[in-house]
Amino acid sequence: AQTVTQSQPEMSVQEAETVTLSCTYDTSESDYYLFWYKQPPSRQMILVIRQEAYKQQNATENRFSVNFQKAAKSFSLKISDSQLGDAAMYFCAYRSHTNAGKSTFGDGTTLTVKP
Amino acid sequence: DSGVTQTPKHLITATGQRVTLRCSPRSGDLSVYWYQQSLDQGLQFLIQYYNGEERAKGNILERFSAQQFPDLHSELNLSSLELGDSALYFCASSLQGDQETQYFGPGTRLLVL
Repeated sequence: AQTVTQSQPEMSVQEAETVTLSCTYDTSESDYYLFWYKQPPSRQMILVIRQEAYKQQNATENRFSVNFQKAAKSFSLKISDSQLGDAAMYFCAYRSHTNAGKSTFGDGTTLTVKP
Repeated sequence: DSGVTQTPKHLITATGQRVTLRCSPRSGDLSVYWYQQSLDQGLQFLIQYYNGEERAKGNILERFSAQQFPDLHSELNLSSLELGDSALYFCASSLQGDQETQYFGPGTRLLVL
């Protein structure tokens, strides 16, 4: 079974600075998808970024980028120029390519942004 | 706004009762997923339906059941409720299934007293 580990329960960053959230996963599959979701206090789950395992290029969405290391099974999220609105719980998620839509989520990292 | 709607937003009920949570997927999406987010178990995948048929099953209890109707909306039925069933229940949808991004609804917060 796949597992997703987020080793940082809490992180903090100064406004306008850069922060990196860690995620590792365990799988025997070669084809899969990885996601970062943001959950603000409203509890809405918002997709931040998506990475296909077969793509070597790291995904980027504006101020959000990932460092995908397939061999190391690592998928970290970098947030540049942090803004107060980035404060939220961030979840890393793994989805198998073969097991339909089943997703496995990490326990989350709470990010605090200090003004 | 993801385009996925869930009703009700909040639900308070007693142990032993039965409740139904409803989800309407984004327009055009055929797949619906149900997740449970509780304090002690994080976010867990429960079940997926694709175009009316069950497609994948996760950690769904036997007391829970779901279905997807011809108009593609889905319902999650929770019966013989226990205190531990108190959680935030999310519905997500995607265009078809395996490869598409899942878009989450706002969730239904269930409190069992």
